[in-house]
Amino acid sequence: EVQLVESGGGLVQPGGSLRLSCAASGFTFSSYWLTWVRQAPGKGLEWVANIKEDGSEKYYVDSVRGRFTVSRDNAKKSLYLQMNSLRAEDTGLYYCAKIRSGYDYPSGHWYFYYLDVWGKGTTVTVSS
Amino acid sequence: DIVMTQSPLSLPVTPGEPASISCRSSQSLLQSTGYNYLDWYVQKPGQSPQLLIYLGSYRASGVPDRFSGSGSGTDFTLKISRVEAEDVGVYYCMQGPQTSITFGQGTRLEIK
Repeated sequence: EVQLVESGGGLVQPGGSLRLSCAASGFTFSSYWLTWVRQAPGKGLEWVANIKEDGSEKYYVDSVRGRFTVSRDNAKKSLYLQMNSLRAEDTGLYYCAKIRSGYDYPSGHWYFYYLDVWGKGTTVTVSS
Repeated sequence: DIVMTQSPLSLPVTPGEPASISCRSSQSLLQSTGYNYLDWYVQKPGQSPQLLIYLGSYRASGVPDRFSGSGSGTDFTLKISRVEAEDVGVYYCMQGPQTSITFGQGTRLEIK
């Protein structure tokens, strides 16, 4: 069964750090881009970060760039999100998801077709 | 970044009636590959989001044929031909031609 399982969430004070993990199973982990998407309580979905199959390219939403770091360990089939300098507005449910993508050689551009597998999420609460 | 704008944000529907959700992007999602990189997801109460439609109009595996996606460029529509009680949830559009993904605000579908 194709599965993603997040862990590592919890309660942290403003300015603190957390490291989220996402364990994958049931697919060739090293062949896919992966993403973190979060959802503040009662709010919509917000993309956080993407990482390429080999970890060589990483992209972040402006609000977390410089504070969060996405990484992966293909041998362990795991995705990570190191979150530093946490703020109250980082509170929410954090999902990891698998991206189905394609590379267009004529344009030299990566395209994301869809997010086909999502985990159940892990909750991060930033509060004093 | 591409901004995605959905309407309406709330959609009360009588079972058996059709429903339609609009999604507009600030830049064209039609790329040189010939595809529109626009997806639709639904998040049912208490669940993770799940894929409904990809590349503008292709139904994901297992999605009932009462769901359809259409549109091109900057204007897209998700249609449900006959709403059922199980369709309750929040529907999101998402763009994928950029490595910085963005979602629409979400449309909450409720049963009257």
